[in-house]
Amino acid sequence: DIQMTQSPSSLSASVRDRVTITCQASQDISNHLNWYQQKPGKAPKLLIYDASNLETGVPSRFSGSGSGTDFSFTISSLQPEDIATYYCQQYDNLPFTFGPGTKVDIK
Amino acid sequence: QVHLVQSGAEVKKPGASVKVSCSASGYIFTDYVIQWVRQAPGQRLEWMGWINVGNGNTKYSQKFQGRVTFTRDTSASTAYMEVSSLRSEDTAVYYCARSQNVLTGYSPLDPWGQGTLVTVSS
Repeated sequence: DIQMTQSPSSLSASVRDRVTITCQASQDISNHLNWYQQKPGKAPKLLIYDASNLETGVPSRFSGSGSGTDFSFTISSLQPEDIATYYCQQYDNLPFTFGPGTKVDIK
Repeated sequence: QVHLVQSGAEVKKPGASVKVSCSASGYIFTDYVIQWVRQAPGQRLEWMGWINVGNGNTKYSQKFQGRVTFTRDTSASTAYMEVSSLRSEDTAVYYCARSQNVLTGYSPLDPWGQGTLVTVSS
């Protein structure tokens, strides 16, 4: 199975700060990497697909980049409603696997 | 608008089975694969497998092979997931999610159902 790691596991930042999360795959997954946002008690929501494509309706302050084994996810200006846990997921190889998540909080 | 609505919370004893439904609306049900993901308390998301609701073909994570069954009722636009021989470690929220792309499971997942909490306790 492909192992997904994320860094950091949690972070606390101020409103309007730039926040970056990294995700690493244990082997090359091309650009088959998605980012999801999960708010407490809610289902995950797709934000970024294929490493860098913004899902329809998602604010442009969210972005993603990377390919191969190293990826990053950025919130350009953190907003109070962005408080959530963010997960990366690879869908290059079965079984699909998720990262451990990064919990984002407001300082 | 595409919507997935799941059945309600369940409490089961160890060794029992549970069947969760996922009712779809807002799109042609048979054009997209439905996938199942679970999340144990405080844990990361865990992919369980998928069902191609058009032809009934299934793909299971090896971890769940033999203990999990995906089915569908195309007339009701509903997919089902059944887990047998439940144990305490199966306590989790179970989600269904639609493949974003038509006719393939190799796809981002969007949208997701609201989740179904299954509690396994004696």
